[in-house]
Amino acid sequence: GAVVSQHPSRVICKSGTSVKIECRSLDFQATTMFWYRQFPKKSLMLMATSNEGSKATYEQGVEKDKFLINHASLTLSTLTVTSAHPEDSSFYICSARDPQGVAYNSPLHFGNGTRLTVT
Amino acid sequence: SQKIEQNSEALNIQEGKTATLTCNYTNYSPAYLQWYRQDPGRGPVFLLLIRENEKEKRKERLKVTFDTTLKQSLFHITASQPADSATYLCALVNGQNFVFGPGTRLSVLP
Repeated sequence: GAVVSQHPSRVICKSGTSVKIECRSLDFQATTMFWYRQFPKKSLMLMATSNEGSKATYEQGVEKDKFLINHASLTLSTLTVTSAHPEDSSFYICSARDPQGVAYNSPLHFGNGTRLTVT
Repeated sequence: SQKIEQNSEALNIQEGKTATLTCNYTNYSPAYLQWYRQDPGRGPVFLLLIRENEKEKRKERLKVTFDTTLKQSLFHITASQPADSATYLCALVNGQNFVFGPGTRLSVLP
């Protein structure tokens, strides 16, 4: 089955530094990837849609200069949290859909998430 | 605006019983609905999907129903086991648009 790999699984950084999170589709090509943020005991909040070869689409209220997304290839999207602050501490999860997804109702395949702690 | 609710934040049941989780939505017309399982510190994993024109779908011990008139989906786990303990999320889907519910944390007690 389709596998999405996310790295790192945990990261601790100091306030003011930047952190890059990678999301890879291992056995399929993903023209679109999705980045979510999840607070404890809360649902997934879509942050942005990452499009290969073009700019990401950000959800309302998400700062594009704060959360930089790069989708440079059909198998890799990265999320960089710039100048991180303690309030950015959260669980970040990426997902991708098989390119046949829309026509064949395929689900999202999620990475295992990245726990970011900003001290 | 769209709203999606899941019956309760947490549900405790005894091993062997049937767990029933509810997903209700308003102001939305999904083409289909999906259910995911999420374990602590992990990403969600897809379980089942049901289309708007389907009433019921089954997969092993899992059963999903979808009532577009009531705007409700029910997710059943029969003969529940402690290993079924997890958070279960419903998602409304229309094209590329996924809207997730807040989830229900299920605990199956031995």
